[in-house]
Amino acid sequence: GESVGLHLPTLSVQEGDNSIINCAYSNSASDYFIWYKQESGKGPQFIIDIRSNMDKRQGQRVTVLLNKTVKHLSLQIAATQPGDSAVYFCAESISGGYNKLIFGAGTRLAVHP
Amino acid sequence: NAGVTQTPKFQVLKTGQSMTLQCAQDMNHEYMSWYRQDPGMGLRLIHYSVGAGITDQGEVPNGYNVSRSTTEDFPLRLLSAAPSQTSVYFCASEGGANTGELFFGEGSRLTVL
Repeated sequence: GESVGLHLPTLSVQEGDNSIINCAYSNSASDYFIWYKQESGKGPQFIIDIRSNMDKRQGQRVTVLLNKTVKHLSLQIAATQPGDSAVYFCAESISGGYNKLIFGAGTRLAVHP
Repeated sequence: NAGVTQTPKFQVLKTGQSMTLQCAQDMNHEYMSWYRQDPGMGLRLIHYSVGAGITDQGEVPNGYNVSRSTTEDFPLRLLSAAPSQTSVYFCASEGGANTGELFFGEGSRLTVL
């Protein structure tokens, strides 16, 4: 069935290092992908999105890469800060929008001083 | 702006009891949705609404009812709570830009004994 998964459940990094969070998706018909950040006790917060006609998209300190050949998505965070500690979710959509987003299980990012 | 407001934040029910989780948004968003989040799993869509008077089922609708009488409010009803409905529930809205940028509330933690 359709699924969105993550390679690593927990990622530990040193403050100042770059972080890479990975996500694999199984449905080749998915054409829209989103990354969310969830801090403890809060709701998810939108970080960045990318459509399937793009390979890369950059935001403030974040970059999302999409490799449709191997159905892989990654989120790169530059100069990771303690405030980046959270659970990160990737999500996919076939419709290209918000209806029926399928979320992955999440990766916890722990930033150490 | 308050954004998306959920009440209550915490609730304990006994099996068979009924309750309503409230969700209100003040951003005049047409799209609203309810997700549940369980440990080790991503968010799963319960019900969603694309506007007042219109609702539809998501991935896990059984045991839940919704209605959308106004743009602002989207309550989620549990008619006969079961232990399997123990979860954290999130309400989200989207502003019509047809993106995955959902705005989430802070969640309602429900325990069914």
